[in-house]
Amino acid sequence: AQTVTQSQPEMSVQEAETVTLSCTYDTSESNYYLFWYKQPPSRQMILVIRQEAYKQQNATENRFSVNFQKAAKSFSLKISDSQLGDTAMYFCAFMKLHTGTASKLTFGTGTRLQVTL
Amino acid sequence: DGGITQSPKYLFRKEGQNVTLSCEQNLNHDAMYWYRQDPGQGLRLIYYSQIVNDFQKGDIAEGYSVSREKKESFPLTVTSAQKNPTAFYLCASSQGTGEGQPQHFGDGTRLSIL
Repeated sequence: AQTVTQSQPEMSVQEAETVTLSCTYDTSESNYYLFWYKQPPSRQMILVIRQEAYKQQNATENRFSVNFQKAAKSFSLKISDSQLGDTAMYFCAFMKLHTGTASKLTFGTGTRLQVTL
Repeated sequence: DGGITQSPKYLFRKEGQNVTLSCEQNLNHDAMYWYRQDPGQGLRLIYYSQIVNDFQKGDIAEGYSVSREKKESFPLTVTSAQKNPTAFYLCASSQGTGEGQPQHFGDGTRLSIL
């Protein structure tokens, strides 16, 4: 079974600064996907970024980028130029590929990020 | 606009009562999922379905049941056998299988015990 660990329950960053959220995972699979989801106070889950394990290049989406270290099983999220709207709960998630079945997500416990003025 | 609609937003259950949470999607997605979220925890998978008339148990299926009679709909019933049903419930869908398709989520239903 896969496990996802987010060791930082809460973090704070000032507006316009950069912050990095940590995520580690445990799996024996060689091919899989990793995701970061954002859950603002509205409780809606929003996809932030997606990484394919067989791609060495780190994924980026505007101000969001990841540092994917496959050997270390680490998948951190960097938010640059933080904005007040980035205040949310951030979840790291692992997806194991299953041929012929739905692709299930295993979530970490989340990191609550507060962006301050 | 395409999306996932969950209803109701808030739901209250009496002891011994079954309640049904609705999830409808117009994204033409094949797979649908139900998750439970408790305070301080991540999402845990209850049930998932790849196609119509087929579904599988997730990690915490006890006390829950589902049906998938239409591609667009995946209702979740919280039965009286679920002794601690108070939680936030999220429905999700994804386009395909085996290709790392991201899951898209509804706005959730908060269930509480009266």
